[in-house]
Amino acid sequence: EAQVTQNPRYLITVTGKKLTVTCSQNMNHEYMSWYRQDPGLGLRQIYYSMNVEVTDKGDVPEGYKVSRKEKRNFPLILESPSPNQTSLYFCASKGRDRGHGEQFFGPGTRLTVL
Amino acid sequence: KNEVEQSPQNLTAQEGEFITINCSYSVGISALHWLQQHPGGGIVSLFMLSSGKKKHGRLIATINIQEKHSSLHITASHPRDSAVYICAVRSEETSGSRLTFGEGTQLTVNP
Repeated sequence: EAQVTQNPRYLITVTGKKLTVTCSQNMNHEYMSWYRQDPGLGLRQIYYSMNVEVTDKGDVPEGYKVSRKEKRNFPLILESPSPNQTSLYFCASKGRDRGHGEQFFGPGTRLTVL
Repeated sequence: KNEVEQSPQNLTAQEGEFITINCSYSVGISALHWLQQHPGGGIVSLFMLSSGKKKHGRLIATINIQEKHSSLHITASHPRDSAVYICAVRSEETSGSRLTFGEGTQLTVNP
């Protein structure tokens, strides 16, 4: 089954404790992205990657890092989380095929930083 | 002003009604996406448009590039259509994976 998986789905942590949210897709997609969703602000793009070793900042990259060492994985790293990073996070992937351009979203990770 | 504006923000309808959700944007785009977010939080891609019109089942999406406007229509609405519908655009000036989103339209369809 074609899918994007994220782990963990829920995480409560404390300020300053480094964490990683993993994202993996099994569709051999070139494009992968991370988004955060906050009430009243909607979805905002954090980082995206157009292929292995190619990443770029989205609209709200501050406080986040990413890496794309393998095509299937695109982890999101919070080196020193702060309460303003409490949010719902989504990973998504898309193939280069321009036929439909459908983005496949992961199930989301709800992060609370105390 | 946001680059992507959706209207209405909230919409309540009776089962069977025809529904229209609008999306206006202010930048030149290469593509526009319509997404559906279920009450449980999961997001599904409904359409990607660069011109004209697309139909899938009871859903129809149209785009007018000159007017910078897109609409999502739901015919014969059903309570299971209750969700948040989100418009997103890919600017002409950015790469293939950078999207800007509207704030979403909360649709409730009552039986």
